[in-house]
Amino acid sequence: GEDVEQSLFLSVREGDSSVINCTYTDSSSTYLYWYKQEPGAGLQLLTYIFSNMDMKQDQRLTVLLNKKDKHLSLRIADTQTGDSAIYFCADLDSWGKLQFGAGTQVVVTP
Amino acid sequence: KAGVTQTPRYLIKTRGQQVTLSCSPISGHRSVSWYQQTPGQGLQFLFEYFSETQRNKGNFPGRFSGRQFSNSRSEMNVSTLELGDSALYLCASSLGGGHYEQYFGPGTRLTVT
Repeated sequence: GEDVEQSLFLSVREGDSSVINCTYTDSSSTYLYWYKQEPGAGLQLLTYIFSNMDMKQDQRLTVLLNKKDKHLSLRIADTQTGDSAIYFCADLDSWGKLQFGAGTQVVVTP
Repeated sequence: KAGVTQTPRYLIKTRGQQVTLSCSPISGHRSVSWYQQTPGQGLQFLFEYFSETQRNKGNFPGRFSGRQFSNSRSEMNVSTLELGDSALYLCASSLGGGHYEQYFGPGTRLTVT
């Protein structure tokens, strides 16, 4: 099946910017998403981008999409300890279901 | 507006038993999708319901089934439980009909012993 891949771990200092990267293979993906999961919780929809866009900004979050390279990134500005969580990249496949990456564990250190 | 609710939140069952999980979507949402999350396989799609009809199904055995009621609430059932069914089961709701924002509930943690 189609794959979504992301790095497994990111350590960042409080106040710095975090960048989480993701690659996908499904060229028919229409929407790409970033979800956040904190321990013991479900998935929180952070933001998403339509495939014909290059960038989307939402407060501290910036999503960049390079459709040619099938590369998606999420930048979190001024990272806080509350941003420590697992971040999942996902694409919406042609059947209308979400295909998730394995998740990136983000640890924010003081 | 209330979010997606799932009941129960935690469940312990024995191999061979069956289990039913419930999901109430956000008011006005007509699509409900179910996902299984395990440490080994990550997040995997189970099925999606829209207006009481199953529209999509993932690669899970027939022991996994679901349904949706006229009020959009959904249930999933797992029969003849196996140890490998231990997982966090998440449901997501969306408006459906071309709306692609999916909002997840807190999940049901199922442990099979």
